[in-house]
Amino acid sequence: QKEVEQDPGPLSVPEGAIVSLNCTYSNSAFQYFMWYRQYSRKGPELLMYTYSSGNKEDGRFTAQVDKSSKYISLFIRDSQPSDSATYLCAMSEWSTLTFGKGTMLLVSP
Amino acid sequence: EPEVTQTPSHQVTQMGQEVILRCVPISNHLYFYWYRQILGQKVEFLVSFYNNEISEKSEIFDDQFSVERPDGSNFTLKIRSTKLEDSAMYFCASSAGRQDSLGAFFGQGTRLTVV
Repeated sequence: QKEVEQDPGPLSVPEGAIVSLNCTYSNSAFQYFMWYRQYSRKGPELLMYTYSSGNKEDGRFTAQVDKSSKYISLFIRDSQPSDSATYLCAMSEWSTLTFGKGTMLLVSP
Repeated sequence: EPEVTQTPSHQVTQMGQEVILRCVPISNHLYFYWYRQILGQKVEFLVSFYNNEISEKSEIFDDQFSVERPDGSNFTLKIRSTKLEDSAMYFCASSAGRQDSLGAFFGQGTRLTVV
């Protein structure tokens, strides 16, 4: 059964901190990995996507995938209060996305 | 910036009634999806649609659900006879390619409340 686990938080950090968000999964067939940001009562917003293992950087965001450990991470550098949201990991084996439950991040000024 | 738009933002309906949720995907996208999120739960896949037919559907997408792309721009989700447990946020999404390779872009959602 496809399953994605994500700590719901909340994760509270001061402005400027480095944030680490993580997901684990059990299905070794997952090969596409994404991070979405969701503000309250809004739709998920695609932040980053990666294929297979490795790192990908986009501005203050870095996504890491370790398929051998079935573990993915999103790092946010120099976190801002506007980064306060729920972060959803999502992954796919073929064509449908399986989401984690999301981690709520609170960045205080 | 192109975006997926959904209407209405909130729909209240009585149990047993039919509802139609509407979406306008990003114009050059070819793949369309519906997801739902029950309050406090995960975002769950319902159905994907490509080339005017359903390409994949989940166990949630039973005979009470149907999708249609009636006019080349709109993409609709119909729930034939709503149940209390259908209350959720329904998200439409679209992608240029298969969502697993490029990621999908989501609309703001329609909050469906069944009373």
